[in-house]
Amino acid sequence: DGGITQSPKYLFRKEGQNVTLSCEQNLNHDAMYWYRQDPGQGLRLIYYSQIVNDFQKGDIAEGYSVSREKKESFPLTVTSAQKNPTAFYLCASSTYRGRNQPQHFGDGTRLSIL
Amino acid sequence: KQEVTQIPAALSVPEGENLVLNCSFTDSAIYNLQWFRQDPGKGLTSLLLIQSSQREQTSGRLNASLDKSSGRSTLYIAASQPGDSATYLCAVETGNQFYFGTGTSLTVIP
Repeated sequence: DGGITQSPKYLFRKEGQNVTLSCEQNLNHDAMYWYRQDPGQGLRLIYYSQIVNDFQKGDIAEGYSVSREKKESFPLTVTSAQKNPTAFYLCASSTYRGRNQPQHFGDGTRLSIL
Repeated sequence: KQEVTQIPAALSVPEGENLVLNCSFTDSAIYNLQWFRQDPGKGLTSLLLIQSSQREQTSGRLNASLDKSSGRSTLYIAASQPGDSATYLCAVETGNQFYFGTGTSLTVIP
């Protein structure tokens, strides 16, 4: 079945540590996105990518980094510069931005601080 | 900047009742509006997408309407069932980003 796979489901970070969240899709979608979801808040965009080797900052990119070396993969690194990383992280994809196609989401990664 | 609001934040209804969820947005220059369902600890599942030129979309017991000029959308759920219990989020695509509301948590009581 086609879909988006996020791993791990749960992740713990120590002080000063960088951690990487995986996002893989087999939907042949061009665009991929990373969102952060906090209790009582809507999803906030961290980064998005429309094509391979290109990505753009969203509203809350500070303390995060991404890469898009393959169409299928869009990993997110939470760096030690992100002082409040505890949140639910969601990856999404769509066929093409601005073409009125629905976003498809993975099941998320919950990141906590040790 | 686009702001999306959903009221109420939580709603409880008895099984079988029809209900309406509301979504409002501040900038009417949108490409589309999408309704999602989120179960606890899970990602979002797309329910309906309404393009800016459309007034409504229907899927089974769900009907979503869009009034772009007033910045409002509603999601109508007919004959609610306990399995409809979830958080419902709306999102609008504006410029080159999607903006999400904080959601309405729906509980359908058997």
